[in-house]
Amino acid sequence: DADVTQTPRNRITKTGKRIMLECSQTKGHDRMYWYRQDPGLGLRLIYYSFDVKDINKGEISDGYSVSRQAQAKFSLSLESAIPNQTALYFCATSDWGRLGDTQYFGPGTRLTVL
Amino acid sequence: AQSVTQPDIHITVSEGASLELRCNYSYGATPYLFWYVQSPGQGLQLLLKYFSGDTLVQGIKGFEAEFKRSQSSFNLRKPSVHWSDAAEYFCAVGSLLSGNTGKLIFGQGTTLQVKP
Repeated sequence: DADVTQTPRNRITKTGKRIMLECSQTKGHDRMYWYRQDPGLGLRLIYYSFDVKDINKGEISDGYSVSRQAQAKFSLSLESAIPNQTALYFCATSDWGRLGDTQYFGPGTRLTVL
Repeated sequence: AQSVTQPDIHITVSEGASLELRCNYSYGATPYLFWYVQSPGQGLQLLLKYFSGDTLVQGIKGFEAEFKRSQSSFNLRKPSVHWSDAAEYFCAVGSLLSGNTGKLIFGQGTTLQVKP
């Protein structure tokens, strides 16, 4: 089984709808991240969480919210989806250590907002 | 401002030829550096990472990268490319400073096409 799973893998929705993307991990990591990927822009950080009680905004958090339900689960919500939120969304986890941390990514969720 | 630049958006090489993908960074703190690969329809897989020590880093799938502080570069190389290496490659940089947030800055990506 994959260490980092994301559901759904693909989603098509309409403008104004509320959408939740879910991420689960079995790596036992404390840190979890949500990114979006757009062609030509690489990955940009939306939110990150160091533990259940520690959630922080990334560089592009407007229009998004998150919930860390447990160490293993981190959900991303679009309260009212808009077309420019069409993108590939990745969840990642990491475990901070003396030598820094390495992020491990899920397979991604392709979201299309019509 | 912190940034990562991958100057080549798209590269095409013949199978068996050597490969070098460029990555330049601008970062005020002591950096740590990564290369990830994304195959079509897949997530990002870690190829290699540099935190400290030997500036030539070996990774999976026969890849290596060299950290050159004086040039602010972390170029990825492979001596002989295989058709299965066709993918998108991302360079990323983070910081080893205490209180590090773990945040990574990613480059725009380089798409590698391999000709038979």
